[in-house]
Amino acid sequence: EDKVVQSPLSLVVHEGDTVTLNCSYEVTNFRSLLWYKQEKKAPTFLFMLTSSGIEKKSGRLSSILDKKELFSILNITATQTGDSAIYLCAVEVGSNYKLTFGKGTLLTVNP
Amino acid sequence: DAGITQSPRHKVTETGTPVTLRCHQTENHRYMYWYRQDPGHGLRLIHYSYGVKDTDKGEVSDGYSVSRSKTEDFLLTLESATSSQTSVYFCAISAWGENTGELFFGEGSRLTVL
Repeated sequence: EDKVVQSPLSLVVHEGDTVTLNCSYEVTNFRSLLWYKQEKKAPTFLFMLTSSGIEKKSGRLSSILDKKELFSILNITATQTGDSAIYLCAVEVGSNYKLTFGKGTLLTVNP
Repeated sequence: DAGITQSPRHKVTETGTPVTLRCHQTENHRYMYWYRQDPGHGLRLIHYSYGVKDTDKGEVSDGYSVSRSKTEDFLLTLESATSSQTSVYFCAISAWGENTGELFFGEGSRLTVL
């Protein structure tokens, strides 16, 4: 059975802090790993990672994949209250582009 | 924003009644998905489609059926709704193979089964 485990499940920080969210996986036929941000409604895409060791960066957010140790991290620097959301990790497995999601990390950034 | 709409957005129904949720896209994407999201479980795949009349089961397909008679519409049917199917349902579309694996999600349909 494919598994995607995110940690921590919830996190409370103050504005300006740096946070690291973790995603580990045990799947057959790994193809890619994706990160999404979910505020009040639909998840929105952040990153897609396919190669080990190559950092993807967008503003204050960055992510990296380790295919040997089967995990990825999502870093957010200088957090803002607008970063408060559920962050979802998903792994693409097999053919037909199916995604298996972790349970998410609820990040709360207090002013 | 991706052209994807779900209807209805909210529905309350009684146990044993049939329910159909509709997902409509204007992007002409090949792949469409139905997920449900529940506290403590995250997003779980119910069914997906990789073309007109081509569908397959996801990890939580029991009690659900789908149909895709044209590219733009993907219907999710609960033949006889149960309280365990109370959830938020998300439709998603994807342009896999076009340099991205990004899923675009609809706004969600909140279903309550009494």
